[in-house]
Parts: sequence; C-alpha cells; structure tokens
Amino acid sequence: ETGVTQTPRHLVMGMTNKKSLKCEQHLGHNAMYWYKQSAKKPLELMFVYNFKEQTENNSVPSRFSPECPNSSHLFLHLHTLQPEDSALYLCASSQDRTSGNTIYFGEGSWLTVV
Amino acid sequence: TQLLEQSPQFLSIQEGENLTVYCNSSSVFSSLQWYRQEPGEGPVLLVTVVTGGEVKKLKRLTFQFGDARKDSSLHITAAQPGDTGLYLCAGSMTTDSWGKFQFGAGTQVVVTP
Repeated sequence: ETGVTQTPRHLVMGMTNKKSLKCEQHLGHNAMYWYKQSAKKPLELMFVYNFKEQTENNSVPSRFSPECPNSSHLFLHLHTLQPEDSALYLCASSQDRTSGNTIYFGEGSWLTVV
Repeated sequence: TQLLEQSPQFLSIQEGENLTVYCNSSSVFSSLQWYRQEPGEGPVLLVTVVTGGEVKKLKRLTFQFGDARKDSSLHITAAQPGDTGLYLCAGSMTTDSWGKFQFGAGTQVVVTP
C-alpha cells in the first residue's frame, strides 16, 4: 500500500467509448502525475500537476484529458482511443515538483482498447 | 534516445546466486531512484541516492551511485525467488526543477528456485 489508489484496475473499452481513470492519494502530496507504461518501453511521463495546476503536458494527444480538482485527486478522461493506447497507466504523487522528491506510484490501471 | 540505459535487459539466475544490474547515462543526475515492479503492479520505490559515491544497503540489496552521479548499480546477494521483478532506475536531472524523473527501460530479473 503506497498511499496512491487507482481505479479501475482493469478497463476494456471500445474506440468510441468515453471512460475515466481515477487516482487518489492519501499522502498529503502536492504534485501528481500520469505515466504510461507500454511493453518493453520506458515509463512515459504524460502529465504533471502541481498544486492543482497543470505544469507539464508531454505532447500527449488530446484524446487524453487530465483533470485535477484538488491536490488529492487526479483523473484521466479517455475519448476515442486507439488500440495502440492499450497500456498500463500509472498515477504517482510527490510532495511537490522539486527535483529529487520521491515519487510514489499507484498500482496502475490496465487499459485495453478494442 | 533514452537518457538512462539499463543493462542487461533480462537476467535469469538460480536461487542463491548474485546479480548486478546497471543504470548508465551521459547526464548528471541530482538524485537517482531504484524501483521494483511486479507483474500487474505499479513500481515500488526501493531506494533513493543523492550523493556521488553513495552506497546504500537494504538487506541483501546494495545500491551504489557513481562518483560523477551519472550511473548507478544494484547488486543482489544470494538472490531469492521473491526478488523476481522488473527493476527500474529513474533519475532527476540537476537542471530539472520540475520533479520529472527520467526512467530507464528496466531490467527483468527472474530468480528460479
């Protein structure tokens, strides 16, 4: 238990569906992240939020839309995804965005796009 | 081009053997972390190293940060099946103040009984 909870753990969706991934952290952290992990590729940073403000969008397609209503919650809204978007999506948090802060990961949400 | 190169990509050993995995870069990092990830789970932090030349021990795991803070190694003594997993290194660069971590592609370690 890392203090970062992701739901759902598994999601199968069609290319025309709209779904959302949810992340909640109970660590009192101020920064939250979305990462994508595909087979045999390094973890790819997608979005960074610091004190609810988006500070990084790593050239992510607009079919992925993040939302951070408060420092404890982070969503990733999914719309008209492609099969190549199938991956493990990891949420993480850290105290703030200062270099060297430890980041803590959730268990991930396995997404399959059919 | 990956900022952090991990080697080997895959390692299969027998229980009781020792192993070392490496994380190398041409860039300097202000800190470097090692994670272990088991199938279907998120990465779990093992250690953070911040000082060049630093050595940290966690039971049978020994982590070393290079003097120049460009590389790191993880050594496991007398490996056990529970050590099986994907070992990831992640570095935070000295010029990066955003808390972004660059990840290596990982080393898949399999320890068989």
